[in-house]
Amino acid sequence: DVKVTQSSRYLVKRTGEKVFLECVQDMDHENMFWYRQDPGLGLRLIYFSYDVKMKEKGDIPEGYSVSREKKERFSLILESASTNQTSMYLCASSLGDQETQYFGPGTRLLVL
Amino acid sequence: DQQVKQNSPSLSVQEGRISILNCDYTNSMFDYFLWYKKYPAEGPTFLISISSIKDKNEDGRFTVFLNKSAKHLSLHIVPSQPGDSAVYFCAASYSGTYKYIFGTGTRLKVLA
Repeated sequence: DVKVTQSSRYLVKRTGEKVFLECVQDMDHENMFWYRQDPGLGLRLIYFSYDVKMKEKGDIPEGYSVSREKKERFSLILESASTNQTSMYLCASSLGDQETQYFGPGTRLLVL
Repeated sequence: DQQVKQNSPSLSVQEGRISILNCDYTNSMFDYFLWYKKYPAEGPTFLISISSIKDKNEDGRFTVFLNKSAKHLSLHIVPSQPGDSAVYFCAASYSGTYKYIFGTGTRLKVLA
């Protein structure tokens, strides 16, 4: 059974803070993804990684960075949190090209 | 530029009746499609997929239909149950990519 876990379910941060969101998968998946979900906008891809230390920008990478030092762990970093980054953040992983993506439970981030 | 569109933000259906959720896409290169279900405060869970070499795929109460000429797919749920009440996302990808493009979602409410 695929398991994707995210470090926090709810997070409240102040504007300007550096924020780390962590994601861990236990299925030895090659690919990992970070999305944000906002009402009326669906899921938008922030960054994805297809191998350790490899990353590619998604559709909305501005204001974010990522780190993948180990295969099972993919971190999303908000260098200086802003109120427009208040959102639900979802991590996913997949085995390979066009494989089903499995999602974590999400982190609801509120930036004040 | 929204390549995957779910034009109905919400849908209400009586328990026991059929639910039909629609999804349109614009990129003719898309050749693999997924449907996900999402409950509040949870990550999306995979429901069913279809490849462009097929026009129909069934899994229990869920059937996905693909009309390539119309660039349209639909998810049928028969019979609908109150536990099906959730937001449904369609997603599309094409060969050689790790990425899926998600629609904006349709909120289904099944009335008891």
